Amino acid sequence: SQQGEEDPQALSIQEGENATMNCSYKTSINNLQWYRQNSGRGLVHLILIRSNEREKHSGRLRVTLDTSKKSSSLLITASRAADTASYFCATDPDGGFKTIFGAGTRLFVKA
Amino acid sequence: EAGVAQSPRYKIIEKRQSVAFWCNPISGHATLYWYQQILGQGPKLLIQFQNNGVVDDSQLPKDRFSAERLKGVDSTLKIQPAKLEDSAVYLCASSLETSGTADTQYFGPGTRLTVL
Repeated sequence: SQQGEEDPQALSIQEGENATMNCSYKTSINNLQWYRQNSGRGLVHLILIRSNEREKHSGRLRVTLDTSKKSSSLLITASRAADTASYFCATDPDGGFKTIFGAGTRLFVKA
Repeated sequence: EAGVAQSPRYKIIEKRQSVAFWCNPISGHATLYWYQQILGQGPKLLIQFQNNGVVDDSQLPKDRFSAERLKGVDSTLKIQPAKLEDSAVYLCASSLETSGTADTQYFGPGTRLTVL
């Protein structure tokens, strides 16, 4: 089974709105990453947050991490049509070397 | 900086045939990963190399899949014999560090395999 599970599975919003997607995981972790995948650019790293961090920002992206709830959220503010993609969280179960991806959230931003 | 290169981009074979994929990671990256991504799912790690040693291959179906990374640079992933359920995109990634989530992984464009 996947270590990380994103929800919702799919999300459709209007351009300019904010998009929030969540990731839950099962074991302790050292790091959590978010990746984006679209047909044009493949799978691309967005942001990394470490287990001792609670929040990180990168441009229009805001990631939070709650290790007590074993969950993370990715917020995209002022969404654009170009943000249409699948978003995946990736974790390292028990802080090991292995990387486990979730099933992803499919975001569709309507112009 | 050149990205991760993969070839071929597409491959169609019949079940029970064999197939091989090639990956050239970013220069200087010690760690190389092979993932399998089935349509509608997230990438699943098949094997992870640090230089030319295997760090993790626990999810590699070793009865039919094999991978090698000669001289700690290029890598090949082979499937022999292929099954219908092997139809997927095979992604190669590389990173500077050994722990995939401690460092950014850079992905190649993938090889889309169709098994008929």
